[in-house]
Amino acid sequence: DQQVKQNSPSLSVQEGRISILNCDYTNSMFDYFLWYKKYPAEGPTFLISISSIKDKNEDGRFTVFLNKSAKHLSLHIVPSQPGDSAVYFCAAAAQGGSEKLVFGKGTKLTVNP
Amino acid sequence: EAQVTQNPRYLITVTGKKLTVTCSQNMNHEYMSWYRQDPGLGLRQIYYSMNVEVTDKGDVPEGYKVSRKEKRNFPLILESPSPNQTSLYFCASSPYLDRGYGYTFGSGTRLTVV
Repeated sequence: DQQVKQNSPSLSVQEGRISILNCDYTNSMFDYFLWYKKYPAEGPTFLISISSIKDKNEDGRFTVFLNKSAKHLSLHIVPSQPGDSAVYFCAAAAQGGSEKLVFGKGTKLTVNP
Repeated sequence: EAQVTQNPRYLITVTGKKLTVTCSQNMNHEYMSWYRQDPGLGLRQIYYSMNVEVTDKGDVPEGYKVSRKEKRNFPLILESPSPNQTSLYFCASSPYLDRGYGYTFGSGTRLTVV
């Protein structure tokens, strides 16, 4: 049973426009959410996170929004750049301090020049 | 440089031949974990360790073993590899109870079992 879902396997946007990547979760015990970015032949790298006590967190061009009632979060990239082309993974952690991250299947973002 | 180092990067082996993938981190992190990435399945946790001599199963532990004798090292052992263990493997580490940082991942080990 998939607890973290990224329903769009791929997304294509034009350079300079907004990229919106979506993620849904089913486990109400999740209280911390993270986004990772992965280039081919490299390990995932941490991008941005948000705690369940917030509904928005911003870091430069990247903003994550959390809607707890809908169990939905999204990553906005504005403006998108060709170097943002990568696979983006959404991940979630539950209360209890086990540090276990549950990952979605990923969304491949392509930013076209 | 703070990093997680995995070796080897690429490995082709035959069914049943025991192998070990090494993982080492230089950040003094308590928490380490192994994931596998498969097409259409994302990242799935194999095993994790919350500190030296403390390990536990993740979501897909069958066919794997781990050990944590030193804080910096967390090797993944395949006692009798099978073709369904062909995958891309990632080791990760994290400061314990510090979610603001998230995991640091290694560069990956692409394993092919024939």
